[in-house]
Amino acid sequence: KAGVTQTPRYLIKTRGQQVTLSCSPISGHRSVSWYQQTPGQGLQFLFEYFSETQRNKGNFPGRFSGRQFSNSRSEMNVSTLELGDSALYLCASSFGEGASNEQFFGPGTRLTVL
Amino acid sequence: GEDVEQSLFLSVREGDSSVINCTYTDSSSTYLYWYKQEPGAGLQLLTYIFSNMDMKQDQRLTVLLNKKDKHLSLRIADTQTGDSAIYFCAERGYNQGGKLIFGQGTELSVKP
Repeated sequence: KAGVTQTPRYLIKTRGQQVTLSCSPISGHRSVSWYQQTPGQGLQFLFEYFSETQRNKGNFPGRFSGRQFSNSRSEMNVSTLELGDSALYLCASSFGEGASNEQFFGPGTRLTVL
Repeated sequence: GEDVEQSLFLSVREGDSSVINCTYTDSSSTYLYWYKQEPGAGLQLLTYIFSNMDMKQDQRLTVLLNKKDKHLSLRIADTQTGDSAIYFCAERGYNQGGKLIFGQGTELSVKP
């Protein structure tokens, strides 16, 4: 069974631009969560989607948004990029949305904002 | 609020046991997890424990949970150089869905 895939793996943008990252969950998984990883703040929860609905949201500004499609694939978008948005963005999928569902992570997208 | 704390570094000799510690503050935590991250890679789920358990063993890995002290540990027996990585403790609170709260990560260095 293929794991969680994220595209692109690396991205370089400049301040003020916007970016869209993509995540394909493990086949059969319906829940997708996104995390931001930086050296200073560590791993922080962005949002969670289940059946195309946002179920939970972390403490990030409105420039960060996401969505989930009917095939469970998810995208996250960051508008008006700032230098501090440079990070590794990780996507995780699980079968369901309850606490007992294990989350499996993808390799991440490394975003660099210049 | 929710917080998870870990020591930042641990160095051991190959063949020794490694013990990585973690403390958390959320008393409503339902599941506690250990993830491993190698350089340039995502997070690999190693093991997890439900909050009503005290111990879980999985091959070389032993997880101990002291719910009273909100203390979690991961013991790796017969540590190998391939175990060198960053280890993250994470907790999931009651009714929090998929939201995981992570510690800062412990960098394990295994010397031959």
